[in-house]
Amino acid sequence: DVKVTQSSRYLVKRTGEKVFLECVQDMDHENMFWYRQDPGLGLRLIYFSYDVKMKEKGDIPEGYSVSREKKERFSLILESASTNQTSMYLCASSVENQPQHFGDGTRLSIL
Amino acid sequence: GENVEQHPSTLSVQEGDSAVIKCTYSDSASNYFPWYKQELGKGPQLIIDIRSNVGEKKDQRIAVTLNKTAKHFSLHITETQPEDSAVYFCAASKSASGTYKYIFGTGTRLKVLA
Repeated sequence: DVKVTQSSRYLVKRTGEKVFLECVQDMDHENMFWYRQDPGLGLRLIYFSYDVKMKEKGDIPEGYSVSREKKERFSLILESASTNQTSMYLCASSVENQPQHFGDGTRLSIL
Repeated sequence: GENVEQHPSTLSVQEGDSAVIKCTYSDSASNYFPWYKQELGKGPQLIIDIRSNVGEKKDQRIAVTLNKTAKHFSLHITETQPEDSAVYFCAASKSASGTYKYIFGTGTRLKVLA
């Protein structure tokens, strides 16, 4: 089975901090994704990556950046955390012509 | 822009009854439609998917139907059980892998009452 692991289940940070969310997949998938999930809004795509060192903006990239230095790891960075970035963050991965597999999420609170 | 509408937002059924969740998509080029189930404290898990070259797909108690003309697709769960209680998300895409974006619906919270 595909395993997508997000490093933290819960995270509490302060406004203005630089925050790193880490995601690792163990199936050599080319594609990796970061979403945020908010009540009533579903899942919204922040950034995605098709290969090492490649990244593409999703629908809501403002205030975020990403890093993919190794194929199995995709990091989401909040450059200067703000309270409106309090949310559930979900990482996913996929391979060509196969559906996305999700991690269990990181619930991030910005105080 | 691209959009997926999902209804209802909440659904309560008695154990053993059927549940139906409906989605409508806007991009006629969409050709892949997955359904995900999200249990409390967990990430979404794929439960069934359908591609645009078929109209219906079944997997035990779960079925998905697709009407390309009307741009509708639906999830049907028969003989519901308490463990079916979860949030369900539909999505539409031009690619299974996500090389084109998945556009997600806003979710349906299903409660199966024992």
